[in-house]
Amino acid sequence: ELKVEQNPLFLSMQEGKNYTIYCNYSTTSDRLYWYRQDPGKSLESLFVLLSNGAVKQEGRLMASLDTKARLSTLHITAAVHDLSATYFCAVDIGDSGAGSYQLTFGKGTKLSVIP
Amino acid sequence: NAGVTQTPKFQVLKTGQSMTLQCAQDMNHEYMSWYRQDPGMGLRLIHYSVGAGITDQGEVPNGYNVSRSTTEDFPLRLLSAAPSQTSVYFCASSGWVAGWEQYFGPGTRLTVT
Repeated sequence: ELKVEQNPLFLSMQEGKNYTIYCNYSTTSDRLYWYRQDPGKSLESLFVLLSNGAVKQEGRLMASLDTKARLSTLHITAAVHDLSATYFCAVDIGDSGAGSYQLTFGKGTKLSVIP
Repeated sequence: NAGVTQTPKFQVLKTGQSMTLQCAQDMNHEYMSWYRQDPGMGLRLIHYSVGAGITDQGEVPNGYNVSRSTTEDFPLRLLSAAPSQTSVYFCASSGWVAGWEQYFGPGTRLTVT
């Protein structure tokens, strides 16, 4: 059974600071997703990481994937209040090259950026 | 494109009632799935489909039925609602043309009393 663990689950940070959210998973996978969710809303796709060593950046967010360590990170640079949301990582249990589209989610990291 | 649509947005049921949550997509995606989201639990996969006529169980399938008669539609049926099924339900779709992205619908908030 695939387990996905995110930490921290709650994060309060000041504007302008940097921080990293970690996503560990328990079995082999090379397809990892990061989503953002605002209260009462659906999930917004941030990144899809498809191979070992993949790194993607969008604005103040950067995600990376290390399949050997079974670890993905979401790094926040110079946080702003608009980044306040819950961030989820999700892992596809499918084998390499053939996605199963069955995602196992972490419990989410609730980020609050304080002015 | 409307993307992934879900109806209704909100629903209140009494224990034992049945209902169908509707999900449709207009992106010609092969893959569709249903997740439920509970506080502190993240999202959990209920059922999924890899194409019309093909469905399979996810992590938490008990109490739910699905069918996929067309590429576009993937309804989720609650057979006899229980308070434990109070949750927010999300439908998602993906496929080759989506470049591995999963697109989520707006969700249905269900309360069972």
